[in-house]
Amino acid sequence: QVQLQESGPGLVKPSQTLSLTCTVSGDSITSGSYYWSWIRQHPGKGLEWIAYIYYSGSTYYNPSLKSRVTISVDTSKDQFSLKLSSVTAADTAVYYCARLTWSAGWTFDYWGQGTLVTVSS
Amino acid sequence: QSALTQPASVSGSPGQSITISCTGTSSDVGGYNHVSWYQQHPGKAPKFIIYEVNYRPSGVSNRFSGSKSGNTASLTISGLQAEDEADYYCSSYTSSATLVFGGGTKLTVL
Repeated sequence: QVQLQESGPGLVKPSQTLSLTCTVSGDSITSGSYYWSWIRQHPGKGLEWIAYIYYSGSTYYNPSLKSRVTISVDTSKDQFSLKLSSVTAADTAVYYCARLTWSAGWTFDYWGQGTLVTVSS
Repeated sequence: QSALTQPASVSGSPGQSITISCTGTSSDVGGYNHVSWYQQHPGKAPKFIIYEVNYRPSGVSNRFSGSKSGNTASLTISGLQAEDEADYYCSSYTSSATLVFGGGTKLTVL
């Protein structure tokens, strides 16, 4: 059973960089059929796709966030990470990591439990 | 990229059927069969219930079904049950190799 677990600070100051890591277990991050993705959900709002990455390092970003987002992968640890720079209160959200299965219709088939990140001084 | 358009809310009585629409463009929903649907209960992570427009993953009730016509995909839930009360989201692959979600629909079982 694939499991994903987000980790990182729950509180970030405005203008700083938000950094989160997702640890994958039950499968290798180098499995060729999958991408690995970050998604966020503002309080009481809908889902917003942020980025996805292949184990080889190929990356794809939401155009609205691209200038501030970096996604990276560490295959030796079965982890992938998110960095979001110059954060403001508008970046307060629950951040999810998820597996993106391109061979099954580009579906997010496994999700982490989510981690709330609050941007506040 | 703009979010896909979903109704903010729908409701139905137990045993009835409801349909949630998800409207995009020819660059996303209309251009690919890569439409998925997710169910999210309060405080929980989303769970995928439909992929590739109309395929159900193992373990998902056959009361859930999907379809697509042009730029609009739809999720139908038949035989409504109290446990179906949740938020539902669609997603689609796009011509820019990105993903986009719908704004979400709150289902109330009366």
